[in-house]
Amino acid sequence: DAGVIQSPRHEVTEMGQEVTLRCKPISGHDYLFWYRQTMMRGLELLIYFNNNVPIDDSGMPEDRFSAKMPNASFSTLKIQPSEPRDSAVYFCASSFRAKNIQYFGAGTRLSVL
Amino acid sequence: ELKVEQNPLFLSMQEGKNYTIYCNYSTTSDRLYWYRQDPGKSLESLFVLLSNGAVKQEGRLMASLDTKARLSTLHITAAVHDLSATYFCAVDIYGGATNKLIFGTGTLLAVQP
Repeated sequence: DAGVIQSPRHEVTEMGQEVTLRCKPISGHDYLFWYRQTMMRGLELLIYFNNNVPIDDSGMPEDRFSAKMPNASFSTLKIQPSEPRDSAVYFCASSFRAKNIQYFGAGTRLSVL
Repeated sequence: ELKVEQNPLFLSMQEGKNYTIYCNYSTTSDRLYWYRQDPGKSLESLFVLLSNGAVKQEGRLMASLDTKARLSTLHITAAVHDLSATYFCAVDIYGGATNKLIFGTGTLLAVQP
């Protein structure tokens, strides 16, 4: 299996622009997680899905952030409008059922200028 | 507020030495994960600890879990340079019902030759 695939790997954008991050989970996995990693705040869970349904979005920082999972093999995290404080590495992870290891993608490094 | 704290935050050690990383958490849980992250890379699962008293070993790393003390340890035996990385513990706060993990602050390990 190719593992969790994220794109793009790097994104540089200007403040105010819309940013869309993409994730393809491991085939057969029914849980998908979006995390954000910064030096100041560490690794934070933003939102997670079970069977394509958002279960907990309490970690989404504000309304500028939204996430969707239209099918079992694709999810997006969108930031609109982006701000410099959104600069971070965003990871997607997936797992098969609860109680199982989460497998992480390579991450997207976002820089908002 | 749920907290997962690791100490030390930074550990510089010489090759061949032993040391222990501690992970304390503030909620009841019997499921804890250890991950490794190399600089600029993704997170890789090391261990899953599923019950009080669980002990797992892989090479020079050994992890244990004491759910009564809400403490997990990652012991490094005879460190080698290849172990240099950041190590995270993560607590499943609902005991596996949802696979929602709260990550610790991370411990940056630097093994000097």
